[in-house]
Amino acid sequence: AQRVTQPEKLLSVFKGAPVELKCNYSYSGSPELFWYVQYSRQRLQLLLRHISRESIKGFTADLNKGETSFHLKKPFAQEEDSAMYYCALPCSGNTGKLIFGQGTTLQVKP
Amino acid sequence: DAGITQSPRHKVTETGTPVTLRCHQTENHRYMYWYRQDPGHGLRLIHYSYGVKDTDKGEVSDGYSVSRSKTEDFLLTLESATSSQTSVYFCAISEYRDIGTDTQYFGPGTRLTVL
Repeated sequence: AQRVTQPEKLLSVFKGAPVELKCNYSYSGSPELFWYVQYSRQRLQLLLRHISRESIKGFTADLNKGETSFHLKKPFAQEEDSAMYYCALPCSGNTGKLIFGQGTTLQVKP
Repeated sequence: DAGITQSPRHKVTETGTPVTLRCHQTENHRYMYWYRQDPGHGLRLIHYSYGVKDTDKGEVSDGYSVSRSKTEDFLLTLESATSSQTSVYFCAISEYRDIGTDTQYFGPGTRLTVL
């Protein structure tokens, strides 16, 4: 069965420290994976996706098929990065449906 | 923000009463989704629609029904609300055709409390 696991409910770091939000998935085939973010009092929005291989707001994510992971990384955290982060995986079947992980709250302390 | 609105934004109701939440879009996207957001569970899909009058169940559909009579509106109904349905409900839309057009755009959410 397809599944997305984010093992950390809360990740707290100091400003300037590196950040890694973990995401593991189960999927048979080549997955397209996403990271969505929800800042305080804002809507959930796409942060980045595997296929684009972009760096958005300093964040990157590399797909590791061997470890079935898609961890989100940033070398130097900023206070404005504080938010809820969700990893997501498309469901099979061409429905556009996504399976979301449980979410990780990133708290960047000054 | 994509043109997605949800109404009401907040609602308090009593156990056993029916509740309808509305999602309205101005983007003419084909796909619409209803999620609930709960601590420890993340976002879970309730129902989705792939066109007018075309809907299907998601992961947590028990106790919920939906309708889509127009492209722009997707209604979520709790036939008889229970306390376990206290949650934040999000609507999302997507123009999904294939990879690259499958980004979902989210509404602002509705906070529902069932007493």
